[in-house]
Amino acid sequence: DTGVSQDPRHKITKRGQNVTFRCDPISEHNRLYWYRQTLGQGPEFLTYFQNEAQLEKSRLLSDRFSAERPKGSFSTLEIQRTEQGDSAMYLCASSPAETQYFGPGTRLLVL
Amino acid sequence: SQQGEEDPQALSIQEGENATMNCSYKTSINNLQWYRQNSGRGLVHLILIRSNEREKHSGRLRVTLDTSKKSSSLLITASRAADTASYFCATDGGVSGGGADGLTFGKGTHLIIQP
Repeated sequence: DTGVSQDPRHKITKRGQNVTFRCDPISEHNRLYWYRQTLGQGPEFLTYFQNEAQLEKSRLLSDRFSAERPKGSFSTLEIQRTEQGDSAMYLCASSPAETQYFGPGTRLLVL
Repeated sequence: SQQGEEDPQALSIQEGENATMNCSYKTSINNLQWYRQNSGRGLVHLILIRSNEREKHSGRLRVTLDTSKKSSSLLITASRAADTASYFCATDGGVSGGGADGLTFGKGTHLIIQP
């Protein structure tokens, strides 16, 4: 257990529905990252927060995706109008500097 | 896109043997990290090596870095069944650095330790 928690751990949804995932980082970490991982691949960077500011977004983050980190604490990742291609593990990580501490992930299945 | 490429993609060895995994990357880096992932779980940081370092040790782990060849290797000595996992190398944003680009991971090496 790294101290980073994610909720829910699993989510099954129907195509077209909206889903929201939550990440609670290690409290003293000001950096927070979201990644997506598909089967047999390494994680791919989605977005990065420094405190409450979203400083970087990957091209993978289409306009159906939105992330927030109000007050620089927990973060949410919302996917609107889900598609089957969104099925993946969504990983959150927090960091005080270079080393990242990952949560257990939320596995999303879009039917 | 994936920057790193781990080699081999899969490795099966007997308990007690040493396991070596290699990673190649494409752009300049500030540091390279190795992470372990047990099936269906989050990633666990193993070791970080900076671009001005050539070798680093941590317990049974030994990491080397050759920036001229843009490659790194991870050696796990005296392997145990609990070492069975996927291992990923990850690089930072190089010149841009600062963490803003996140880490770029390879596809990983799946290591199986046979008891």
